[in-house]
Amino acid sequence: DQQVKQNSPSLSVQEGRISILNCDYTNSMFDYFLWYKKYPAEGPTFLISISSIKDKNEDGRFTVFLNKSAKHLSLHIVPSQPGDSAVYFCAARSWGSQGNLIFGKGTKLSVKP
Amino acid sequence: GAVVSQHPSWVICKSGTSVKIECRSLDFQATTMFWYRQFPKQSLMLMATSNEGSKATYEQGVEKDKFLINHASLTLSTLTVTSAHPEDSSFYICSARDSGAQSTRQPQHFGDGTRLSIL
Repeated sequence: DQQVKQNSPSLSVQEGRISILNCDYTNSMFDYFLWYKKYPAEGPTFLISISSIKDKNEDGRFTVFLNKSAKHLSLHIVPSQPGDSAVYFCAARSWGSQGNLIFGKGTKLSVKP
Repeated sequence: GAVVSQHPSWVICKSGTSVKIECRSLDFQATTMFWYRQFPKQSLMLMATSNEGSKATYEQGVEKDKFLINHASLTLSTLTVTSAHPEDSSFYICSARDSGAQSTRQPQHFGDGTRLSIL
């Protein structure tokens, strides 16, 4: 049973527009959420995170929104740039765990010039 | 920033060979390291949690005799795939948790991964 779900395997956006990547989770014990960007044959690169006590965190062009009641989070990238094209993974950490992360399956973002 | 070095980045070997992958934290101490595996177009799946000086904790379905983990120092964990077979071909990624970090903004730092191809 997948605890972290990214239901859109791919997303295509025009340069300059907003990219919205979605993530749903089922485990109410998750206390911390992260977004990673990944290129093929490379390790994930950390983008932005949010604690479960917050509903929004912003860092430059990246904003993460958390809706705890809906168990849903989203990553907004605005404006989108061609260099943002990559696979984006949503990850969650469970309270009381050793810190291991549960990852979604990823969404491949393509930003077209 | 924190750097995790993973070596080798790519290895091709014959079936039956044992392969060792190293994961080093370069500028911080990591009492806990994690090993993930990723199949093409799939998520990163946690294989095991490696704790310095003690036995690793394996996730359900991961054979501990097949995937040997050693975390002998605060900066090095190794994963050995023993008697590798073609079905073990995958992308293996390690991560390390900074033991001294006060901020949990980024709880893990990832290596660049190792592509293992078994012929």
